[in-house]
Amino acid sequence: SQTIHQWPATLVQPVGSPLSLECTVEGTSNPNLYWYRQAAGRGLQLLFYSVGIGQISSEVPQNLSASRPQDRQFILSSKKLLLSDSGFYLCAWSVQGGFIGDTIYFGEGSWLTVV
Amino acid sequence: DAKTTQPNSMESNEEEPVHLPCNHSTISGTDYIHWYRQLPSQGPEYVIHGLTSNVNNRMASLAIAEDRKSSTLILHRATLRDAAVYYCILYGGATNKLIFGTGTLLAVQP
Repeated sequence: SQTIHQWPATLVQPVGSPLSLECTVEGTSNPNLYWYRQAAGRGLQLLFYSVGIGQISSEVPQNLSASRPQDRQFILSSKKLLLSDSGFYLCAWSVQGGFIGDTIYFGEGSWLTVV
Repeated sequence: DAKTTQPNSMESNEEEPVHLPCNHSTISGTDYIHWYRQLPSQGPEYVIHGLTSNVNNRMASLAIAEDRKSSTLILHRATLRDAAVYYCILYGGATNKLIFGTGTLLAVQP
């Protein structure tokens, strides 16, 4: 069965420090991969999605970047964190080229607090 | 991207049915209607999805209007564990993106 792992689960980082959140998917090949963010009390915002290695689409201009160095690995990064980057970050995946409208599966999320 | 409109919040009593409405008047012919729910401090969880016909699964039922401009998620017997934010999302068609709106916060009273 497919599983998605996301880490770290929580982190507290000072303003101006770098960030790296990692996500891996097991049990499937060539998935669509996504990064979402949820600020406190807000809805989910799609940040990045990827349909293949090295293929990243950015949804909003921001202080963050994403990379997909391997088929089932998706990394969210920042060179210098801002206070506004605080939030709940979620990685997700769906079947590539599969049934249109296929289900998206979410990881357990990473809580980031920028201080 | 096609958008959906949901009430901000709803309340229900335990053991009673709950009907969560969603309007999506700009839906395209290839968009699927998806429902997810999010419990506090957790990632969203898939509930159900459909295209044109009503759908049932172990979690819920999805009733889709004939013109597909609205749909209703039905929880047949609400439990306290069903208290969550429910998102109605259009997905598929020409895009690979699942765009979440603000959802409906469902409160279940014992």
